[in-house]
Amino acid sequence: QAQLVESGGGVVQPGGSRRLSCAASGFEFTVRAMHWLRQAPGQGPEWLGTLSYHGRWVYYADSIRGRSLISRDNAKNAFYLSLSSLTINDTAIYFCARSHYPSSDVDLWGQGTLLTVSS
Amino acid sequence: DIQLTQSPSSLSASIGDRVTITCRAGQDIGTDLAWYQQRSAQAPGRLIYGATSLQNGVPSRFSGSGAGTEFTLTITTLQSEDFATYYCLQHRQHPHTFGGGTRVEV
Repeated sequence: QAQLVESGGGVVQPGGSRRLSCAASGFEFTVRAMHWLRQAPGQGPEWLGTLSYHGRWVYYADSIRGRSLISRDNAKNAFYLSLSSLTINDTAIYFCARSHYPSSDVDLWGQGTLLTVSS
Repeated sequence: DIQLTQSPSSLSASIGDRVTITCRAGQDIGTDLAWYQQRSAQAPGRLIYGATSLQNGVPSRFSGSGAGTEFTLTITTLQSEDFATYYCLQHRQHPHTFGGGTRVEV
């Protein structure tokens, strides 16, 4: 059964950094594009970025461009989001998700990990 | 960025009702639109892809229609488990963007 499990959330001070991880299982991870999305409390989802299956094509949303890195390790079936210069506006549940191509819609989401930016 | 405008933002319905949700795109996106359902405290799940194709395992009371700039999600014969929030997503171009959501409540 295909599954995505995020980890790495927690409480971080403003200005800090965090790396979120996503563990994939039950499907052929190495041929799938992967995405990060987030959902702030009481808000709708926000797409953050995507990485192609081989890791050579990456797209970032303006909200995280320049202070983030999306990466993957196909040998470990793992996907990552590193975020820096965090502000309270980054407080959200962070989801990883898969698609067929970077331009495709996502067909499977993880359950998310909560990142809280607070002093 | 392509803006998606969903309407209504919320609606009250009863079990057995027919429900229609609209999503309008700020420019032509062909059929590069998906619909997601999000129940409380859960991750979203895909219902419809390619504007009209039903995700495997999703009940046939859900259907999608439209192309270009105007899209509709219809739920015929609303069931108790359908009380949730629904979002449209365009993936025509980056950044992918979501509609503001429609909360279906009793």
